[in-house]
Amino acid sequence: EDKVVQSPLSLVVHEGDTVTLNCSYEVTNFRSLLWYKQEKKAPTFLFMLTSSGIEKKSGRLSSILDKKELFSILNITATQTGDSAIYLCAVGSGNTGKLIFGQGTTLQVKP
Amino acid sequence: DVKVTQSSRYLVKRTGEKVFLECVQDMDHENMFWYRQDPGLGLRLIYFSYDVKMKEKGDIPEGYSVSREKKERFSLILESASTNQTSMYLCASRPPGSGEQYFGPGTRLTVT
Repeated sequence: EDKVVQSPLSLVVHEGDTVTLNCSYEVTNFRSLLWYKQEKKAPTFLFMLTSSGIEKKSGRLSSILDKKELFSILNITATQTGDSAIYLCAVGSGNTGKLIFGQGTTLQVKP
Repeated sequence: DVKVTQSSRYLVKRTGEKVFLECVQDMDHENMFWYRQDPGLGLRLIYFSYDVKMKEKGDIPEGYSVSREKKERFSLILESASTNQTSMYLCASRPPGSGEQYFGPGTRLTVT
């Protein structure tokens, strides 16, 4: 059975801290791994990773994929209160465009 | 900008009622998806559609059906709502050849 597991499930940090969110997967016919950020509304897209070892970066956020060890990490440096959200990891499988989601990591950044 | 809209942000229904959740996208995407989101469980796929009148079951289709009569609209139907269907429902669409899905704002359904 395909599965995506995120850790930790929740995290509380202070502004300025650096956080690392983890996502491991066991998915047949892997196509891509995606990260989304969800505040009190629709999940918004952060990154899509398809190749191992190539870091994707956007401002203070970065992510990398390891297809040999079947995991990805999402790093957030110099956290701000606006980074408080649920971070979702999803793996695309097969040709249908289906995404398999992890449970999500709830991040709270305190001032 | 891709826009995915859902008919209601909040909905309260009684047990046994038939419930329709509507989703519309404005980018001519072929693939559309319905998920439910529950604390600790993430998003789980209910049904998806890869073309008009085409549908496939996701991981948790029991108690739900769908309709896709037009390309831009994908409806989720709860034939007889039950309390265990109280959840956040998210619709998404995907352009061809892309891994990314675009999400609507969600409908928080409460069944009493």
